[in-house]
Amino acid sequence: EAQVTQNPRYLITVTGKKLTVTCSQNMNHEYMSWYRQDPGLGLRQIYYSMNVEVTDKGDVPEGYKVSRKEKRNFPLILESPSPNQTSLYFCASSFLGTGVKNIQYFGAGTRLSVL
Amino acid sequence: GENVEQHPSTLSVQEGDSAVIKCTYSDSASNYFPWYKQELGKGPQLIIDIRSNVGEKKDQRIAVTLNKTAKHFSLHITETQPEDSAVYFCAASFESGGSYIPTFGRGTSLIVHP
Repeated sequence: EAQVTQNPRYLITVTGKKLTVTCSQNMNHEYMSWYRQDPGLGLRQIYYSMNVEVTDKGDVPEGYKVSRKEKRNFPLILESPSPNQTSLYFCASSFLGTGVKNIQYFGAGTRLSVL
Repeated sequence: GENVEQHPSTLSVQEGDSAVIKCTYSDSASNYFPWYKQELGKGPQLIIDIRSNVGEKKDQRIAVTLNKTAKHFSLHITETQPEDSAVYFCAASFESGGSYIPTFGRGTSLIVHP
């Protein structure tokens, strides 16, 4: 089954304690992306990746890191989480290329609370 | 960069009524416009999309229209049902060989009352 898998689904942590949210896709997609969703603000892009070892900042990258060492995985790293990073996070992936529908497939989300 | 405005932020209708959600975009180069539905506790899922060479597309009770000149596109849901209740997002992007960064609207919470 084609899917984007995020883990964990729920996470409560404390300020400053490093954490990683994993994302994996099984569709051989080139493009992967992280979003955060906050009430009234919709989906805001944090980082994206066009392919292995190619990453770039989205609209709200401060306080986050990513890596793309393998095509299927795109972990989101919070080196020193702060309360303003409390949010609902989504990973997404899609194919790239002219004539290819850039339909994004989303994971089920990770709800993060930073105390 | 691209800017997508979506209205309304909340839409409440009676079962059987129609619902319309509107989006405008700023970058005339955008050529792909998908709509996503997000049910409670789930990630967004594509429900319909349209490319800039088409003015309208329909899939059962859902239709999308695009006005390239005015740079706006709309989602139309007819004969709404309670299971249509969800948050809907529009998006705009420019498909090319190597560049693809979609911009999303802020979402519309649709509530269908039985």
